[in-house]
Amino acid sequence: SQQGEEDPQALSIQEGENATMNCSYKTSINNLQWYRQNSGRGLVHLILIRSNEREKHSGRLRVTLDTSKKSSSLLITASRAADTASYFCATDYQGAQKLVFGQGTRLTINP
Amino acid sequence: ETGVTQTPRHLVMGMTNKKSLKCEQHLGHNAMYWYKQSAKKPLELMFVYNFKEQTENNSVPSRFSPECPNSSHLFLHLHTLQPEDSALYLCASSVSTDTQYFGPGTRLTVL
Repeated sequence: SQQGEEDPQALSIQEGENATMNCSYKTSINNLQWYRQNSGRGLVHLILIRSNEREKHSGRLRVTLDTSKKSSSLLITASRAADTASYFCATDYQGAQKLVFGQGTRLTINP
Repeated sequence: ETGVTQTPRHLVMGMTNKKSLKCEQHLGHNAMYWYKQSAKKPLELMFVYNFKEQTENNSVPSRFSPECPNSSHLFLHLHTLQPEDSALYLCASSVSTDTQYFGPGTRLTVL
């Protein structure tokens, strides 16, 4: 399977702490994307990082990509209760013409 | 709001019913997708349409029948479904394999 794998499957932290989620994948990619999903809703795109990029920032989000290790991480700084959601990585594999989503990390921010 | 709408938001149907899910986007995107999201399973890509042509059918049972009359509309026709088909059905659109914009989903329950 080309599917990416997120780690951990679930993460619970206190408000104000930083949250780090990881994603590993198997073959060469064009880009890797992170999405967020609130319970029972559609996914919302957070950030896209291309294969020739190593780090990207968007507000409180920081994404890194290590193509030699075939892994990415999403860091959410100064977490808020509203960040409680599931977070998915999606990979655009070279030649695949589609995104492949991982199983997601369920993040809970405790007030 | 992502610019992708789905109707209905909730649907309950019997195994002998025929119903249709509708997805609409006016973002000017050329690609549209149907995904199935079941509890505790990864997001499953079902169908991909690119410029109204089906480019991906991910071994989906024939009781699911997609239709894409134009680049802005996508339907999923359902007939003789099984209880295990109960899930959240998500539609998305994109330009190529960059950011996908998701609708809010249809929560389907098959009795």
